[in-house]
Amino acid sequence: AQSVTQLGSHVSVSEGALVLLRCNYSSSVPPYLFWYVQYPNQGLQLLLKYTSAATLVKGINGFEAEFKKSETSFHLTKPSAHMSDAAEYFCAVSELGGADGLTFGKGTHLIIQP
Amino acid sequence: GAVVSQHPSWVICKSGTSVKIECRSLDFQATTMFWYRQFPKQSLMLMATSNEGSKATYEQGVEKDKFLINHASLTLSTLTVTSAHPEDSSFYICSASVSGNNEQFFGPGTRLTVL
Repeated sequence: AQSVTQLGSHVSVSEGALVLLRCNYSSSVPPYLFWYVQYPNQGLQLLLKYTSAATLVKGINGFEAEFKKSETSFHLTKPSAHMSDAAEYFCAVSELGGADGLTFGKGTHLIIQP
Repeated sequence: GAVVSQHPSWVICKSGTSVKIECRSLDFQATTMFWYRQFPKQSLMLMATSNEGSKATYEQGVEKDKFLINHASLTLSTLTVTSAHPEDSSFYICSASVSGNNEQFFGPGTRLTVL
């Protein structure tokens, strides 16, 4: 069985500050890991994915995440927050890399303070 | 590329009626489609997985007779909520994947409100 834990249902940062969204996973096999962003009343947009290649993964909109097996973590970061980054962020895990249904965390709502 | 559409984007229906939601892959052939459900301010929960031409595989706790899934072609899957009740009100999101590609492409979602 696999699971995802996202620490902090809400994270608030100032515009220009570092964004750090935490994700820890549990998987019985080497996992595929994903970060998605969801804007209000919209579907999910893929930010980045880990597929057992490089442990530091760069995604769209300046986001990146680092896979740390020893910590079973896949935290999402962005050096400088923009107002447009305000959204809901979901971490997800898959054992078959997209061929199976994804298991999502509960999401983190990112608030950007002006 | 890799665009997934859903229709309708929102629907309001009376309790006891059935509602069909379509999920289409517009520019690729999807070997597998997934249906998720998202309650307000909560995460997505996988409901079922469907492969073209096969019966859908439902997650534990999802009533297959209530949520009918048809995947008749490589570009279309439908979810029919039968005899809908207010507790079925939710945001339904589909995704599609291609065999050998480790990514799912998500549709924009359908908001169902049952009165």
